[in-house]
Amino acid sequence: GNSVTQMEGPVTLSEEAFLTINCTYTATGYPSLFWYVQYPGEGLQLLLKATKADDKGSNKGFEATYRKETTSFHLEKGSVQVSDSAVYFCALITRGSQGNLIFGKGTKLSVKP
Amino acid sequence: GAVVSQHPSWVICKSGTSVKIECRSLDFQATTMFWYRQFPKQSLMLMATSNEGSKATYEQGVEKDKFLINHASLTLSTLTVTSAHPEDSSFYICSAQRGGSYNEQFFGPGTRLTVL
Repeated sequence: GNSVTQMEGPVTLSEEAFLTINCTYTATGYPSLFWYVQYPGEGLQLLLKATKADDKGSNKGFEATYRKETTSFHLEKGSVQVSDSAVYFCALITRGSQGNLIFGKGTKLSVKP
Repeated sequence: GAVVSQHPSWVICKSGTSVKIECRSLDFQATTMFWYRQFPKQSLMLMATSNEGSKATYEQGVEKDKFLINHASLTLSTLTVTSAHPEDSSFYICSAQRGGSYNEQFFGPGTRLTVL
């Protein structure tokens, strides 16, 4: 079946450190891939997305590239800030679905000043 | 931007009672709404997909008689947990989708349900 696997957290970094959160997926066909972020006390927000192989999604300094050959969509940021502290979810939608998102378990990021 | 609200944000109820959770899209019409359940330190699990004016589609393993979903208008969907038990305690999150199936989903802030 379709699934998303992302690295276990929590991840604790110092401000300005480099961030990578790994995400791999299993899906039939060619899914669309997403990263969502959930700040404390708030709902999930779309951070970035990619709809086909080799697409790069980017937003707020975060990037992720759709790698079909490795079935991965790793999230990266060159210099994290304290305000980036949140839970990050990798997700996919398969073609032919009603738009049902399949989520990874989430990775909690804490950035220390 | 598109805003989705949920009400209540948290609720505590006695075992055996029913609880209704509302999900509203405040500034857009949602053709489809989704209900998710999130356990501590676990992912969001899709419970059901709700289309305005039609019956909800439930995921395998979700009891439709226990989790009643009504999508009465293009801006409102409700989830009623009937005869709630402690094992129903969880964080329930809705999302609303504008337009077709590849359009972005906008998420509500979630409702924390605690059943005593």
